[in-house]
Amino acid sequence: DIVMTQSPDSLAVSLGERATINCKSSQSVLYTSNNKNSLAWYQQKPGQPPKLLIYWASTRESGVPDRFSGSGSGTDFTLTISSLQAEDVAVYYCQQYFGTSKTFGQGTKVEI
Amino acid sequence: QVQLVQSGAEVKEPGASVKVSCKASGYTFTSYAIHWVRLAPGQRLEWMGWINTGNDNRYYSQKFQGRVTITRDTSASTAYVELTSLSSEDTAVYYCARDPPGGGAFDVWGQGTMVTVSS
Repeated sequence: DIVMTQSPDSLAVSLGERATINCKSSQSVLYTSNNKNSLAWYQQKPGQPPKLLIYWASTRESGVPDRFSGSGSGTDFTLTISSLQAEDVAVYYCQQYFGTSKTFGQGTKVEI
Repeated sequence: QVQLVQSGAEVKEPGASVKVSCKASGYTFTSYAIHWVRLAPGQRLEWMGWINTGNDNRYYSQKFQGRVTITRDTSASTAYVELTSLSSEDTAVYYCARDPPGGGAFDVWGQGTMVTVSS
C-alpha cells in the first residue's frame, strides 16, 4: 500500500495568517495517462464527516473558498490556507486514490 | 439533493458482527462506487474497501480481508458493510463515501455511524 505522511502533526496559526500543510507519498501518484496526480485534501471538524476540499492535487471542489489551494506533483504535495479564518479550525487529511487501496495521511490539526 | 444516509449507532460485544447501511439519494446509485472508511479514536482515517455498485465488483483492504464484506441492494439504492469478529479495536465511526465515475476523490460522505465494541 502507498503510505501517506503529513507534516506537521499540528500547527497554530493566527487569524489572517497563512497555514501550510505538507503531504508525502511513498511512491508517485501521478497518472501518466492523464498527467494528473491522484491526491485529495479533506477537512474534518469534530462530529462531522470529512469534506472534500481539493482533488487532482490542485482542483478546488465546488463551493470551497479560494483561500484553500493545493499544489505539488509526484510524491510531494502542499495544502495552503492563505488567510486563516476561525471556521478553518479542523483536522486536514491528504489521501491518495492512485492505487487500488485508498490511503490517508495521519492528519494535521490546525488551531488558532 | 445528493446525500448518503447511514444507519444508527451500534453497541456490540466482542466477537460479534455488525452491519451498517448507507442509503443513497439524489443521484443514480449504480453510477458511483461506494467506499467505506472508519475513524477510530486517536487514529487516522482508514480505508476499508469499496464496491462497484454497477457490476458488484468489490475490493477490500488487506487489513480487513476475511472479516469485512461490502454488499449493495440496487433496488434500495443502499450499500452495506459487515464486519465480523469484532474487538475493542473496531470501536470507531464508520463512514460511507461516494466515488465518481472513472475513479477519484470522495465527493459525498455519509454522516457516520458510531460502532462501540464493549463487554
